[in-house]
Amino acid sequence: DIQMTQSPASLSASLGETVTIECLASEDIYSNLAWYQQKPGKSPQLLIYYANSLNDGVPSRFSGSGSGTQYSLKINSLQSEDVSIYFCQQNYDSPWTFGGGTKLELK
Amino acid sequence: EVQLVESGGGLVQPGRSLKLSCAASGFTFSNYYMAWVRQAPKKGLEWVATISTSGSRTYYPDSVKGRFTISRDNAKSSLYLQMNSLKSEDTATYYCARHPDRWWYFDFWGPGTMVTVSS
Repeated sequence: DIQMTQSPASLSASLGETVTIECLASEDIYSNLAWYQQKPGKSPQLLIYYANSLNDGVPSRFSGSGSGTQYSLKINSLQSEDVSIYFCQQNYDSPWTFGGGTKLELK
Repeated sequence: EVQLVESGGGLVQPGRSLKLSCAASGFTFSNYYMAWVRQAPKKGLEWVATISTSGSRTYYPDSVKGRFTISRDNAKSSLYLQMNSLKSEDTATYYCARHPDRWWYFDFWGPGTMVTVSS
């Protein structure tokens, strides 16, 4: 199985700041990487697919990048509504696996 | 508007069975692969099962293979998950989710239904 390692596990940032979350795959996943946002008490929502494609309706302050085994999610100009847990997921090879999550809080 | 609504969760004893349902609306259900994803309390996400548009192909991780069965009824726009021989480690919120266009990520999720396996 492909292991997905996210870092950091938790993150505290101020409004307006730029934050970056990393996701490392145990093998090359050829950009088959999605990012999800899970707000408290809610189900996950798709943010980005194929490493850097923004899902419909997602604010442009979110962006994804990376290739091979290393990927990142960047949030520019942090807003209060961005407080969430963020998960990456590889969709290159079954079983589809998720990172452990990054909890983003406001400082 | 795409809507997925799960039902059927609850408290069940170890070793027993439970069947979850998901009612879909707002899209042509028969055109999409569908899936179940679970999340143990305060834990991460785990993919549980996927089914093809016709239901002829199903996919599972080793953790549930042989115990869980995913199925669908396209006429009723409904997805199901039959869970047998339940274990305490199956305790989780179970989400119904849609695969977009044969991609293996998930573009819409339901609100989830909680399953607690305990004596």
